[in-house]
Amino acid sequence: DAGITQSPRHKVTETGTPVTLRCHQTENHRYMYWYRQDPGHGLRLIHYSYGVKDTDKGEVSDGYSVSRSKTEDFLLTLESATSSQTSVYFCAISESAAPTNTEAFFGQGTRLTVV
Amino acid sequence: AQKITQTQPGMFVQEKEAVTLDCTYDTSDPSYGLFWYKQPSSGEMIFLIYQGSYDQQNATEGRYSLNFQKARKSANLVISASQLGDSAMYFCAMRERSNSGYALNFGKGTSLLVTP
Repeated sequence: DAGITQSPRHKVTETGTPVTLRCHQTENHRYMYWYRQDPGHGLRLIHYSYGVKDTDKGEVSDGYSVSRSKTEDFLLTLESATSSQTSVYFCAISESAAPTNTEAFFGQGTRLTVV
Repeated sequence: AQKITQTQPGMFVQEKEAVTLDCTYDTSDPSYGLFWYKQPSSGEMIFLIYQGSYDQQNATEGRYSLNFQKARKSANLVISASQLGDSAMYFCAMRERSNSGYALNFGKGTSLLVTP
């Protein structure tokens, strides 16, 4: 199994508070992604990183920021949590950007509830 | 516009039967990859099978095969000899050069229930 760890696995937080989710990999993969999964929507890309300090927005980036100061860590921050950000968050890593036989490996997911 | 369409929200199949999960995609990029993932009730995302746009033959991995019809832009997953442990959500995904960071674009998924 790919070495990818998300923390925390579960979190309940109050509306308006900042929250940071961590993704840690031991595979030295260049690409890292944050997705959110909601019923009826599949997985949607929030932000991604293509190297240290190189990040960009995905489809649903409003209200989220990311940072990647080391190859192995990709942090997702909800600047001021809202109930609409209640979701399951997945981190994914990928060795190569080429759309060839390079699957993305996923973390176990973080279930975030904003009350 | 939806890049990946999975039209079957839920499917039932009897144990030991084969089942086909549908997936159609939309791209103008000649180079792309198609993936299927399984998500059991425990929540993890498990990679099942991959098909490249230039691959001449349909991909197979054990009981999983991908019925790739390029002209129709479809990439259906076929599970042969279904087992109870196949009950899960199944997601079709595509990777193309025009995607943000070459990220996978996912469909909304199909929930498969295998009955005894």
